[in-house]
Amino acid sequence: EDKVVQSPLSLVVHEGDTVTLNCSYEVTNFRSLLWYKQEKKAPTFLFMLTSSGIEKKSGRLSSILDKKELFSILNITATQTGDSAIYLCAFNDYKLSFGAGTTVTVRA
Amino acid sequence: NAGVTQTPKFQVLKTGQSMTLQCAQDMNHEYMSWYRQDPGMGLRLIHYSVGAGITDQGEVPNGYNVSRSTTEDFPLRLLSAAPSQTSVYFCASSKDDRDSPLHFGNGTRLTVT
Repeated sequence: EDKVVQSPLSLVVHEGDTVTLNCSYEVTNFRSLLWYKQEKKAPTFLFMLTSSGIEKKSGRLSSILDKKELFSILNITATQTGDSAIYLCAFNDYKLSFGAGTTVTVRA
Repeated sequence: NAGVTQTPKFQVLKTGQSMTLQCAQDMNHEYMSWYRQDPGMGLRLIHYSVGAGITDQGEVPNGYNVSRSTTEDFPLRLLSAAPSQTSVYFCASSKDDRDSPLHFGNGTRLTVT
């Protein structure tokens, strides 16, 4: 059965810290892996990864995929209180399946 | 830009009642889907559609029906609500079912008593 596991489930950091979120997956027909950020309402798209070893960056956020070891990480550097959210990882095998998410709390 | 619009935002039902959650998108997206989100369980796929007239079941379809008569609309029907269906429901769409990111609506918080 295809599945996505995210770790940790939650963490609390202080502003300026660096955060690393993990996503491991077991899928039959992997097409892509996506990261979303969810604050109070709808998840918003961060990254889509299809190739191993190629880092995607957007400001202080970056992500990389390892298709051999079947995992991805999302890094957030110099965290700010606005980074507090649930971060969701999902894989695409013609329909998107999500992990349970990691709740990040950034304290001032 | 409206994007994906869900109505209502909140709903309280009694066990056994039926209702329809509405979802509309104005981006001409072919792919639409419904998810429910429960604490500690992430987003679970209920039903999805790859185009008008085509629907399929996701991970947790029992107790829900969908139809896709137009590209824009993808309503979710609860035939006989149960307390286990208390959840936050998200509708999402994308350009296609392959490599396009999903765009989510703002969700409907449903409570079944």
